[in-house]
Amino acid sequence: GQQVMQIPQYQHVQEGEDFTTYCNSSTTLSNIQWYKQRPGGHPVFLIQLVKSGEVKKQKRLTFQFGEAKKNSSLHITATQTTDVGTYFCAGRIDSWGKFQFGAGTQVVVTP
Amino acid sequence: NAGVTQTPKFRVLKTGQSMTLLCAQDMNHEYMYWYRQDPGMGLRLIHYSVGEGTTAKGEVPDGYNVSRLKKQNFLLGLESAAPSQTSVYFCASSSGTAGDTEAFFGQGTRLTVV
Repeated sequence: GQQVMQIPQYQHVQEGEDFTTYCNSSTTLSNIQWYKQRPGGHPVFLIQLVKSGEVKKQKRLTFQFGEAKKNSSLHITATQTTDVGTYFCAGRIDSWGKFQFGAGTQVVVTP
Repeated sequence: NAGVTQTPKFRVLKTGQSMTLLCAQDMNHEYMYWYRQDPGMGLRLIHYSVGEGTTAKGEVPDGYNVSRLKKQNFLLGLESAAPSQTSVYFCASSSGTAGDTEAFFGQGTRLTVV
């Protein structure tokens, strides 16, 4: 079964609001990546987190890796219409380096 | 620099037909992957390759075969298409130690099996 779970599956946000999407794994992850997929597009890499408790920021996006390396979050502040899309986390689950993707959080932004 | 290119972009197959999806990358990446994307399921790994001449099974390999005869190309074959294989297929590539770097995705192939 799927080891990497993402919640929520769907997020409706008013422009200007903040929101957070969460990624949880049943096993400890070596590292985690986040991708964004615009409607009709392909996944595009956003960031990779490796260290326990790591926090990285990209403008209005804040990424966090949990202390136990079993969960991660993406927080977006002051949402804009350009943030529309599906955000996927992908956790590295084995020694080779295969990443397992979560089901994604689809974000819809209303002006 | 084209990155990762998938051919074709769209295809409709009848049940039982066969086809090959082609993925080409020009970044000299060692690692290549084939994923399928279905609503609510995220991206599921079908097969992957860690270098020329090598392939391995992912999460959902049944009904698919792959080949990596050249480093830059990764082919995905469907021998006898089934409606359950209707999906969007993405190829990706990455470099670095054990695939621990970002994956670059192609534009996707939308396949419908009727």
